[in-house]
This record gives sequence, C-alpha cells and structure tokens, in this order.
Amino acid sequence: EAQVTQNPRYLITVTGKKLTVTCSQNMNHEYMSWYRQDPGLGLRQIYYSMNVEVTDKGDVPEGYKVSRKEKRNFPLILESPSPNQTSLYFCASSLLFMGAQAFFGQGTRLTVV
Amino acid sequence: SQELEQSPQSLIVQEGKNLTINCTSSKTLYGLYWYKQKYGEGLIFLMMLQKGGEEKSHEKITAKLDEKKQQSSLHITASQPSHAGIYLCGADILIQGAQKLVFGQGTRLTINP
Repeated sequence: EAQVTQNPRYLITVTGKKLTVTCSQNMNHEYMSWYRQDPGLGLRQIYYSMNVEVTDKGDVPEGYKVSRKEKRNFPLILESPSPNQTSLYFCASSLLFMGAQAFFGQGTRLTVV
Repeated sequence: SQELEQSPQSLIVQEGKNLTINCTSSKTLYGLYWYKQKYGEGLIFLMMLQKGGEEKSHEKITAKLDEKKQQSSLHITASQPSHAGIYLCGADILIQGAQKLVFGQGTRLTINP
C-alpha cells in the first residue's frame, strides 16, 4: 500500500531536549516536505527536498533541521525545542512535477512544555 | 500561505443546506487540490483539478477550477453532519523557479442538525 509513515503520532517533550520526527515513504517520490499546522494559519511549509541530498527552506524553517540521505526518508529534527514549536506536523511526498498529487502522513502532534 | 487565500475561514450551516468555499491564488496554478481534515487528524484527499474549467465531483462535493481567475470553488450540496471538518485547498505554484505546494488557511465547516 502506498503510504507516508510518520512517527511518533504524539509526543510531549521538555524545552531544549533534542527530538526527531521520522518520515518514510514507499512510493519512490523525489519530492518530500514538512509542514506545521496551527489554528487559523493553515499548513505552513518548514523544509522541502527535491531529491537525495537536496533540501531547502520553506516559509518557517527557524528552529528546525532536516536531512535527506535516502530517497525514502526525510526526518525532521528539533535541536532545542521551544514551546512555540508546539504544533501538528505533517510530512508529505510527491513526484517531482507540477500537478502531482501529494500524499500526507497521519501527522505528529508535538507538545513542548 | 499568502499565495493562497481561502474564504470563508469559518462556516456554520443548517443540515441540508448548500454551501460554497472559495480558494484564490495570487500566482499561476499548476494543480489545485482539495483536502478535508477532521480536527487534529490527517488530511483526506478529496480531488485534484488541473485544467481550466475542469469540474470534479465526489459524492455530494463538487469542485471547479477557473483558470482565468486563478480560483477554485468547492460546493457541497444538501450538507450532512459527516461533511463537518476543516477544508483545505492546496496548489502547486512556482516560486523563484522552485516547485512549491502551498495551502490556504483552511475553512472550518460546522453543520447544525
């Protein structure tokens, strides 16, 4: 089954404790991206990647890192989480052409206290 | 995102009534997507529109793409409680030569019995 898998689904952590949210897709998609969703703001792109070893900043990259060492995986790293990073996070993947449907993971609800 | 404006942001309708949600882009659209989301959960893909004038339906939900106006509308006929949720439009656009999937702020739909 074609899917994007995110882990964990829920995470509560403390300020400053490094964490990683994993994202994996099994569709051989070149394009992957991370979004955060906050009430009234829709989905805002954090980082995206057009292929292995190619990553770029989205609209709200501050406080986040990503890596793309393999095509299927695109982890989101928070080196020193802060409460303003409490949000619902989504990973997405698609083929690299305009008009290619994006597939989304189930989301990760992160709370930083 | 600023590139994609959705309206209204919130909508409350009586069960059985029709409703329309609009999504307008400030940039050329290469693909327009509609998603539905139950609060705090994952995105459910509804439909994708690519060509001007294209119209698609999924059960009682119909979406159209007006390429000239760079606008899409989502219309629900005879609304039911199961239609309640957040509707998000997304679009493939080019920003500084890079492919980007951006989203509107979302429309929160409430159906009153």
